Amino acid sequence: ILNVEQSPQSLHVQEGDSTNFTCSFPSSNFYALHWYRWETAKSPEALFVMTLNGDEKKKGRISATLNTKEGYSYLYIKGSQPEDSATYLCAFMNRDDKIIFGKGTRLHILP
Amino acid sequence: DSGVTQTPKHLITATGQRVTLRCSPRSGDLSVYWYQQSLDQGLQFLIQYYNGEERAKGNILERFSAQQFPDLHSELNLSSLELGDSALYFCASSDRQGAGEQFFGPGTRLTVL
Repeated sequence: ILNVEQSPQSLHVQEGDSTNFTCSFPSSNFYALHWYRWETAKSPEALFVMTLNGDEKKKGRISATLNTKEGYSYLYIKGSQPEDSATYLCAFMNRDDKIIFGKGTRLHILP
Repeated sequence: DSGVTQTPKHLITATGQRVTLRCSPRSGDLSVYWYQQSLDQGLQFLIQYYNGEERAKGNILERFSAQQFPDLHSELNLSSLELGDSALYFCASSDRQGAGEQFFGPGTRLTVL
């Protein structure tokens, strides 16, 4: 059974603080790992697509790392802002074209 | 605005009926993905088309089918609807077959009564 776990489920962070959360996925048959940002009442918005072990990607204050051998990815947000409040989803894609989503980490930024 | 359009926005129908959801990908994108978001299941991958051909299948029920037309728009057909099919259905498009960035449409909210 393919399983993608995200932790924590929910996170409250003070504005200005940095934070990170985890996506765990099967370490075999890996093809790609996607990160999305999903605001309430909107659609998921792509943040990163990661394919290579050791990949590090950055977009503004948000960055992500990938370890395909041990099956995890971290998403980091530096200096959290109110507009970072959203659910962060990861999706694992394997070489058989299966796509499995985690249940997301819900991030609340406290003013 | 992702450039992906979906119609209709909302659809209310009865059990046993059949509906068609439509998706137009971003200009130039050849891949279309369909996803289902239900309250208890989270986001689930249904099916992917690339340049008119089915490429990958996820947890799509036999009562559901899809196709991608020569102009690259896609339709998801849901038949013999059940209460449990009530969900938000997203399509996403990408310029690649595999690990390309996916752009999501606004979704179609289906309610089966």
